[in-house]
Amino acid sequence: GAVVSQHPSWVICKSGTSVKIECRSLDFQATTMFWYRQFPKQSLMLMATSNEGSKATYEQGVEKDKFLINHASLTLSTLTVTSAHPEDSSFYICSARVASLGDTGELFFGEGSRLTVL
Amino acid sequence: GQNIDQPTEMTATEGAIVQINCTYQTSGFNGLFWYQQHAGEAPTFLSYNVLDGLEEKGRFSSFLSRSKGYSYLLLKELQMKDSASYLCAGMDSNYQLIWGAGTKLIIKP
Repeated sequence: GAVVSQHPSWVICKSGTSVKIECRSLDFQATTMFWYRQFPKQSLMLMATSNEGSKATYEQGVEKDKFLINHASLTLSTLTVTSAHPEDSSFYICSARVASLGDTGELFFGEGSRLTVL
Repeated sequence: GQNIDQPTEMTATEGAIVQINCTYQTSGFNGLFWYQQHAGEAPTFLSYNVLDGLEEKGRFSSFLSRSKGYSYLLLKELQMKDSASYLCAGMDSNYQLIWGAGTKLIIKP
C-alpha cells in the first residue's frame, strides 16, 4: 500500500519558537495532502487542505499566518507552527490521497507528530 | 449541516463480537470510511463502503445503508489488540471527509 512518512515524530520546543513538520508520500504522488490536529481523547480536526503548487485551504478558525503550509512538490508538504505556544501542544497528523483515476478517496496517514511546547 | 454520530465508548469481551454503529448526514455522499486508531498513533484504514450492503474483510465487516444514512463496523473474534478507537467518516460531494468523534472500544479478558 501507499506509504506516508511524517517527521519528526516527537518535538519539544520552547514557547515562541517555530517548528516545521514534514509529510512525504514515499511511493506515490499526492496532489492533495491534509493536515489534522488531534487533542487528547478527541477526534481528528481538519486544519487545512494542501494542494501542490497552490495555496492551502484553511478550515474556519485556523490561523493561516500561524500554521504555514507549503506543498512544493507532489511528494512533500510541510506544516510550520510559527511562534508556538503551550496551547499549540497537540498531535499533528498529515494524510495524502493518491493522485490517480479511480481514486476511492482512501487516505493514507503519516505516523503523526507530537508537539510539546514548554 | 453535516454530522457523524457514533457512540463514545463500548466494552466487549475477548473472543466475542461487537458492532459499532454510525449515522451520518453529509452534503452529497461519496462513501463511508472506517479507521482504527490506537492511542498515540495515526489512524489506519479499515474499510470503505459506497454501495449498500456488507463488505467482509477477515474478522472485520462493514455495512452501509444509504437510504438510512447508517453504517456499522462488525468485529468478530475480538482480540485484546482490537482495543482502540474506531473512527467513522463520511465523504461529501466535494470529496471531503467528515469525521466522527470516534468510538473507544475496550476489550476485557
